[in-house]
Amino acid sequence: DVKVTQSSRYLVKRTGEKVFLECVQDMDHENMFWYRQDPGLGLRLIYFSYDVKMKEKGDIPEGYSVSREKKERFSLILESASTNQTSMYLCASSLFSGSNRETQYFGPGTRLLVL
Amino acid sequence: AQKVTQAQTEISVVEKEDVTLDCVYETRDTTYYLFWYKQPPSGELVFLIRRNSFDEQNEISGRYSWNFQKSTSSFNFTITASQVVDSAVYFCALSEPTSGTYKYIFGTGTRLKVLA
Repeated sequence: DVKVTQSSRYLVKRTGEKVFLECVQDMDHENMFWYRQDPGLGLRLIYFSYDVKMKEKGDIPEGYSVSREKKERFSLILESASTNQTSMYLCASSLFSGSNRETQYFGPGTRLLVL
Repeated sequence: AQKVTQAQTEISVVEKEDVTLDCVYETRDTTYYLFWYKQPPSGELVFLIRRNSFDEQNEISGRYSWNFQKSTSSFNFTITASQVVDSAVYFCALSEPTSGTYKYIFGTGTRLKVLA
């Protein structure tokens, strides 16, 4: 069975703190993605990675960085958290087959509140 | 640019009613894939269906059915005899090529409330 896990379901941090969100998949997928979800805006892609140590900016990378040292793990880092980064963060993974048919599988999400 | 539009922000129905969620997309690709996901209150997006641009057959899975019409660039989702457990946010997505792989373009989602 497909499994994507995220380190926390709920997180409360203070402005200026460094925040790490971790995502682990057990499906040997090449691709991993980080999204944020805000009311009325749907899911927006922050960063993605198609291989170990590879990373690409998505649509809203500002204020975020990522790390992918191992194939199964993809970390999202907020270097200095701000209140406008309060959001739901979703991680996903997919196989890479060279076509656009691959399905993304999602983790349960992390609700981050920055005070 | 590729785009996915879900014009219905929120729909409320009474249990056992049928309901259709609309999805309209824009793409220049001739081969593309469309997806539907369900997000229940727990938060996790659950994959429902994938459809490629060459297959215009309607798909039915239990109470769920999907109508793909290339001529109108629509991929609508119907729930027959809705139940309270169908209450969720539903997202439509389009796959597009990007650096090194493929990514999704998501619609903004439709919140479905099924009232007992």
